[in-house]
Amino acid sequence: SAVISQKPSRDICQRGTSLTIQCQVDSQVTMMFWYRQQPGQSLTLIATANQGSEATYESGFVIDKFPISRPNLTFSTLTVSNMSPEDSSIYLCSHSGSTYNEQFFGPGTRLTVL
Amino acid sequence: EDKVVQSPLSLVVHEGDTVTLNCSYEVTNFRSLLWYKQEKKAPTFLFMLTSSGIEKKSGRLSSILDKKELFSILNITATQTGDSAVYLCAVDGTASKLTFGTGTRLQVML
Repeated sequence: SAVISQKPSRDICQRGTSLTIQCQVDSQVTMMFWYRQQPGQSLTLIATANQGSEATYESGFVIDKFPISRPNLTFSTLTVSNMSPEDSSIYLCSHSGSTYNEQFFGPGTRLTVL
Repeated sequence: EDKVVQSPLSLVVHEGDTVTLNCSYEVTNFRSLLWYKQEKKAPTFLFMLTSSGIEKKSGRLSSILDKKELFSILNITATQTGDSAVYLCAVDGTASKLTFGTGTRLQVML
């Protein structure tokens, strides 16, 4: 599978600010996804990042809060906007390279909002 | 709504023990079931299962799927401290989205 990197690895932010997380894959992939994992919880899909068009958001997630870009087949960004302490989570990107949606995850970004 | 339930929630064993982790699911348009190991932040892919009754094996880990009873098990034999992690089960179902369970936290003691 393609190797995924994410940055930053972790950050501590003040409420009301925004943070952009970058996800880079070392080869072209069709599908890229963004997940959130709140403390003690499992992974929840935020959106599917579509190359060249707007991301597809899951119920409960909106573009104004989590704008996503995917300018090409190897790179995507997720911005967490106007942050509050409830946004403190691990944010993960993943890619899928097969028919069966076998997803591989990046190393994650641990975000703490004060 | 797709649903994945894992049990037990947590488990403490001693090195050398064998453990069985359970995953049951309710999903529309099932395509596959996946197991991941999460030690710090990133889930690491273990297995993908699509057919009933065919065991997938990797070293001391093995997994099998029962599509009739809607569950899967993950077995770890001769556990080691390095197996300590959260094990996540996910299903690929409605609209080709992965739905994750809450995981089983395994702690292997010396």
